[in-house]
Amino acid sequence: AAGVIQSPRHLIKEKRETATLKCYPIPRHDTVYWYQQGPGQDPQFLISFYEKMQSDKGSIPDRFSAQQFSDYHSELNMSSLELGDSALYFCASSPPTSGIYNEQFFGPGTRLTVL
Amino acid sequence: KQEVTQIPAALSVPEGENLVLNCSFTDSAIYNLQWFRQDPGKGLTSLLLIQSSQREQTSGRLNASLDKSSGRSTLYIAASQPGDSATYLCAVMTVEGYQKVTFGIGTKLQVIP
Repeated sequence: AAGVIQSPRHLIKEKRETATLKCYPIPRHDTVYWYQQGPGQDPQFLISFYEKMQSDKGSIPDRFSAQQFSDYHSELNMSSLELGDSALYFCASSPPTSGIYNEQFFGPGTRLTVL
Repeated sequence: KQEVTQIPAALSVPEGENLVLNCSFTDSAIYNLQWFRQDPGKGLTSLLLIQSSQREQTSGRLNASLDKSSGRSTLYIAASQPGDSATYLCAVMTVEGYQKVTFGIGTKLQVIP
């Protein structure tokens, strides 16, 4: 079965550079979620999109922005990178809900290292 | 605000032992609870998902239980193997128009051959 695809899988950047992470949801899933997991930490919710509109916002820094495109893929743009941005970034997607079943399906993550 | 706690933070057991990992959450109005496995530096592997109306789910040597009213879940691993060594995360979902998933910090399990 198709899964959530994230690219790149690994990314190394210098401080103050920008980075763009991409997420391709499972086909026919309309909602995308972004999470950040720092070393030894639990994944923290950043932001989500439903039908190309931002649906919820968590602890996302102002330096980060994200969007969902017409094909439902999403991109997380990170500017003025800091050492503390080094983390594993997960994307998850969920199908249209019917009020009966909700589940988020997680991608393999992008490991961002800021030097 | 939902908070998820996992106890113990780390656990080391000899191979073959049965073990229990604990998860507690502060807001019992959850939609579902999910257990994940994470190997070092890797992604999240979903193990079991329990809907709020269910009491338990089983998959092979794994059994997860849910007591929503008391805000607790346990993951039981039978006959542990060295390959079970990983971090196990508990995550709860609430739905208030949109889904919100809150993770625990995980229990790091080491199974010693």
